[in-house]
Amino acid sequence: EVQLVQSGAEVKKPGESLKISCKGSGYSFTSYWIGWVRQMPGKGLEWMGIIYPGDSDTRYSPSFQGQVTISADKSISTAYLQWSSLKASDTAMYYCAREGTDRYFDYWGQGTLVTVSS
Amino acid sequence: EIVLTQSPATLSLSPGERATLSCRASQSVSSYLAWYQQKPGQAPRLLIYDASNRATGIPARFSGSGSGTDFTLTISSLEPEDFAVYYCQQRSNWPLSITFGQGTRLEIK
Repeated sequence: EVQLVQSGAEVKKPGESLKISCKGSGYSFTSYWIGWVRQMPGKGLEWMGIIYPGDSDTRYSPSFQGQVTISADKSISTAYLQWSSLKASDTAMYYCAREGTDRYFDYWGQGTLVTVSS
Repeated sequence: EIVLTQSPATLSLSPGERATLSCRASQSVSSYLAWYQQKPGQAPRLLIYDASNRATGIPARFSGSGSGTDFTLTISSLEPEDFAVYYCQQRSNWPLSITFGQGTRLEIK
């Protein structure tokens, strides 16, 4: 069974750093792209970026380029999303999702809620 | 960047009625369009891919159509569990870019 399990909710202060994770299981982790999607409170879905764990090829949405870093450790089948300096506007639910062979997000993690508040 | 515009923003219908949701792309995406359903407190779920193919386990009352710039998601007869938010999504390869529509909220009338 394909599963993506994300790390737990985080509460941080502005200016702090953060790295959240997404662990894949039940499939060949290195053979599928993993994307990250932001959902701000009460808002829609925004694509942030995507990584191919097999060779770490990473692409970013222009809206998020330079704002976050996406990485993966294929030895432990885990993808990451990180911030070096959080802002209050980073408060959101963040989902990871596997991009299947048909080029769409066929499996999703349960989401990680990030709250940034002073 | 390709922009996807969904309409209406909110659709109010009763169980048993037919729902028609629209997604328009700012330029042609051929048939490379998907639809997702999201219920409160849950992650999105893939319903339709490549404009008209149902994902695994999706009931036959869900259907998709369209190509180029205009797409439709139809729910033939609404069940209580279908009331949710629906998003369309496209993926273009050169350069790699993924965009979602802003969503249509399907609510019980």
